[in-house]
Amino acid sequence: RKEVEQDPGPFNVPEGATVAFNCTYSNSASQSFFWYRQDCRKEPKLLMSVYSSGNEDGRFTAQLNRASQYISLLIRDSKLSDSATYLCVVNGRGSTLGRLYFGRGTQLTVWP
Amino acid sequence: DAGITQSPRHKVTETGTPVTLRCHQTENHRYMYWYRQDPGHGLRLIHYSYGVKDTDKGEVSDGYSVSRSKTEDFLLTLESATSSQTSVYFCAIDTGLTSTDTQYFGPGTRLTVL
Repeated sequence: RKEVEQDPGPFNVPEGATVAFNCTYSNSASQSFFWYRQDCRKEPKLLMSVYSSGNEDGRFTAQLNRASQYISLLIRDSKLSDSATYLCVVNGRGSTLGRLYFGRGTQLTVWP
Repeated sequence: DAGITQSPRHKVTETGTPVTLRCHQTENHRYMYWYRQDPGHGLRLIHYSYGVKDTDKGEVSDGYSVSRSKTEDFLLTLESATSSQTSVYFCAIDTGLTSTDTQYFGPGTRLTVL
């Protein structure tokens, strides 16, 4: 079983739409959770950390459900510039220090 | 900008040749990582380092070696490149004094092995 599983996508939405991505992780000892964004042929960039109580950064809201080992990312009022691949990332605490596990990513295209 | 550079940015080589990729950081961070990214796979950890001369294997370390003789440089070597090592290679750093699990990535190296 993969450490991190994501919706395969792709998601194609119009500008202004709300879109949600989901992710599950297998290691119940994991303590750190992130969403990264990766543009085509570029490096992954940290979008936001995910905290137990849920957190928001502008149009982006992240939620964590430890009991279900489930993470979500909600994007409101989608912009053309949100088009990218979104990576769900979980640490492997309980195994190797500082080791992160990456989902395969969910591709989002926002069209005008 | 985490001050990470990778060189070369693109390389084409032939099967059986040795290849060394360089990751350079400007801010003396302790933790450095090498990943590869392939279609159908997430980023996969090859090797990582938690200090000068301190390195360990990741999940896909076969065929790769690393060295860290200076804090700022982390080298990845393919001793004898194979076509299965065609990939995009990313270096990353953790900016914490202890590992914070928040990693920042370099721009990547596209390697093609013919």
